[in-house]
Formats: sequence, structure tokens, C-alpha cells
Amino acid sequence: NAGVTQTPKFQVLKTGQSMTLQCAQDMNHEYMSWYRQDPGMGLRLIHYSVGAGITDQGEVPNGYNVSRSTTEDFPLRLLSAAPSQTSVYFCASSLMGNTEAFFGQGTRLTVV
Amino acid sequence: GENVEQHPSTLSVQEGDSAVIKCTYSDSASNYFPWYKQELGKRPQLIIDIRSNVGEKKDQRIAVTLNKTAKHFSLHITETQPEDSAVYFCAAFYSAGGTSYGKLTFGQGTILTVHP
Repeated sequence: NAGVTQTPKFQVLKTGQSMTLQCAQDMNHEYMSWYRQDPGMGLRLIHYSVGAGITDQGEVPNGYNVSRSTTEDFPLRLLSAAPSQTSVYFCASSLMGNTEAFFGQGTRLTVV
Repeated sequence: GENVEQHPSTLSVQEGDSAVIKCTYSDSASNYFPWYKQELGKRPQLIIDIRSNVGEKKDQRIAVTLNKTAKHFSLHITETQPEDSAVYFCAAFYSAGGTSYGKLTFGQGTILTVHP
């Protein structure tokens, strides 16, 4: 039981490049979400999903896309990277939205 | 949407003292309030949570209280130890229909430092 696996751990992008952050969980959780963490701003919700085929926007969705084709996987796509997207990204999963969330190890993304 | 305010942003205590972190939320429909601890360079981990039908919950040295009328909840850590040093986040779960599908909004975080 690996929990929540997030890759890569570190990434440097040039402005305008696109990339996908991977997130997979093996706990059969319905609820998955992506957060970004910036100093002094806590964890801000980007997108979340309540099950395969169902996604919705969080607080800061602009510049990011998600899809949920399976229960296990919830990738986050950066369409055209900008320096403002430099942050630490966390994927999380939970049985339901109002139960304990298990976080991945995080991805430190730098956009230059 | 939901808005969660957390205070203080930094808290410094001596080992053995108590620490209290306070959060307020904006939407009275929020019904689940977890607290997460994040050690330096690590992922956040749940330490305690409380639901809206409960006023207080305790787990060893950690307790959480909820005041639904005032829309605030607090984390209390007693007999603090150096290993309690970390960033603590409160959060509030909001669901328009009262279901388990909704959004979890986090506070800005509190950096707790426990001096030996």
C-alpha cells in the first residue's frame, strides 16, 4: 500500500512550456485534489474530483487542467507555464471530501 | 466560497508551555474541521479533526474546540515538546448540499516553534 504517489519531486520549466504532474493513489479513494503551497498563503485548492469522470474548480484554477479517467489517477496539467506558477504542488486523496486527506510527497516547481 | 482565517502566523513557546492556534470560517454550512501538521520539507498530515455536531475533541496532548455560533475553532497543544515544532494548518470543509462532496479550504498556517 503506497498511499499517494506524486511525481516528479522537482521540476524546472521555462516560461511557456507545458507539463503534467502525476498523482496516483491505491486506497480506492473517491475524492482527489490538487493544492499549491506558497509562503504565507497556506494550501490553496486548484482542482478537485469526487470520482472518475467528475472534476470541479477550486480557488485558483486558471492555467491548470485536470481529468479523472480512473479512480486511481488524477494528473494536473500546466498548459503554458508562467513564473507565477512557481510553487510547491501537493496532490491529496480521501475516502470522501469530509474525511482524512492523505497527501503526496509534493512537487517543487520552478518556472524561469 | 468559504474563507478561513488563521492566527497567529507565528508562535514561539517554551517547552512544557501550552500553545493555542485559532481559526475563523465564513460559511455556516461548513461541517468538518481538520487540523494538519507539516514538518519542514514534509507533506501535511492530519493530527485531529472535529465535526460540526461536536463541541470539543481531545487526543492526548492535543484538543480542538468548535464554536459554531461564532464560527471559530481552535487547536490546543499542552505540554509542548520540541518535536511539536512545525507548521500547523486549519481547514474547513464546505458542501452546499450537506453531502460529502465539496471543497476543503485551508488557513494560512501557523509556524510553531518550541524552545527546549
